[in-house]
Amino acid sequence: SQTIHQWPATLVQPVGSPLSLECTVEGTSNPNLYWYRQAAGRGLQLLFYSVGIGQISSEVPQNLSASRPQDRQFILSSKKLLLSDSGFYLCAWSAGANSPLHFGNGTRLTVT
Amino acid sequence: GIQVEQSPPDLILQEGANSTLRCNFSDSVNNLQWFHQNPWGQLINLFYIPSGTKQNGRLSATTVATERYSLLYISSSQTTDSGVYFCAVLNEKLTFGTGTRLTIIP
Repeated sequence: SQTIHQWPATLVQPVGSPLSLECTVEGTSNPNLYWYRQAAGRGLQLLFYSVGIGQISSEVPQNLSASRPQDRQFILSSKKLLLSDSGFYLCAWSAGANSPLHFGNGTRLTVT
Repeated sequence: GIQVEQSPPDLILQEGANSTLRCNFSDSVNNLQWFHQNPWGQLINLFYIPSGTKQNGRLSATTVATERYSLLYISSSQTTDSGVYFCAVLNEKLTFGTGTRLTIIP
């Protein structure tokens, strides 16, 4: 069966520091991969999605970037964190555009 | 873009009660999912239901795509049902509703 792993679970980082969140999927190949952010306990905002290695689409211009170095690996990065980057970050995968979406357990990021 | 509205925004019920959560969307959709976000933030798939009715234990869902709404039914509520329930619809992209926060009181 397919599983999705996301780490770390929680992270506290100072303003101006870099960020790297990693997400991997097991048990499937060529998944669609997604990064979402959730602020204040509601409303998921799509940040990035990828339909293949090296293919990244950005939904919202901001201080973050994403990369897909391997088929089942999706990384969310920032060179310099802002206070406004605090939030709950969720990675997700689907088998295709019309397939169910499956989420990882999320990373709670606090920028201080 | 497509608008997705969920109602009610908040719901407080006694354990054992039944509830109906609604998701309205403003355009035709290719699929629809219901999720439960537990108090620890985990988003759990409940149903993938672009149309028709599905049941899974105490939960069931119905989507009437022609009328652009979906309903999630929870029967005999338990405290573990507490959390936020989201619907998400796929049109040109996946759009989430704003959620219904359900609190079950023992």
